[in-house]
Amino acid sequence: SQTIHQWPATLVQPVGSPLSLECTVEGTSNPNLYWYRQAAGRGLQLLFYSVGIGQISSEVPQNLSASRPQDRQFILSSKKLLLSDSGFYLCAWTRGLGNYGYTFGSGTRLTVV
Amino acid sequence: SQKIEQNSEALNIQEGKTATLTCNYTNYSPAYLQWYRQDPGRGPVFLLLIRENEKEKRKERLKVTFDTTLKQSLFHITASQPADSATYLCALDMYSGGGADGLTFGKGTHLIIQP
Repeated sequence: SQTIHQWPATLVQPVGSPLSLECTVEGTSNPNLYWYRQAAGRGLQLLFYSVGIGQISSEVPQNLSASRPQDRQFILSSKKLLLSDSGFYLCAWTRGLGNYGYTFGSGTRLTVV
Repeated sequence: SQKIEQNSEALNIQEGKTATLTCNYTNYSPAYLQWYRQDPGRGPVFLLLIRENEKEKRKERLKVTFDTTLKQSLFHITASQPADSATYLCALDMYSGGGADGLTFGKGTHLIIQP
């Protein structure tokens, strides 16, 4: 069966510090991968998606970047965190052309102080 | 891109009754529509997907309808239980055509099943 791993679960980082969140998927190949952010009281916002190694599409101009160095690995990064980067970050995967449900990871609660 | 409206107020339903949640979208008709459940501090869990050419989809106590004329989906939980209490999210493909470029989500409806 397919599983998705996301870590860390919680993170407290000072303003201006770097960020690296990692997501890996097991039990499937060539998944479509996504990073979402959920701010307090707001809906899920799509940040990045990838349909293959090295292929990254950005939905929202921001202080973040994403990379996909391996087929089942998706990394969210920042060189310098802002207070506004605080939120609940979720990685997700799906197969095919988007007509399948998404499987989400357990999320990372990021607090920038 | 799509805009989705879900009732942001909490919905209180007595145990055993049918809970009905509404999802309205405003722009193009999506190729498919999905419903998710989210518990506090957890990632959303996929429940059901319904395609544009389908009127209704069922899974156990869950039923979803899709009316492309009204631009609306209804999500029903029959014989509701306290364990069904959660936030339910409606999601549509981000852009027309149903590709792999992500889903756009509504803010969700918080459902509370009273014992």
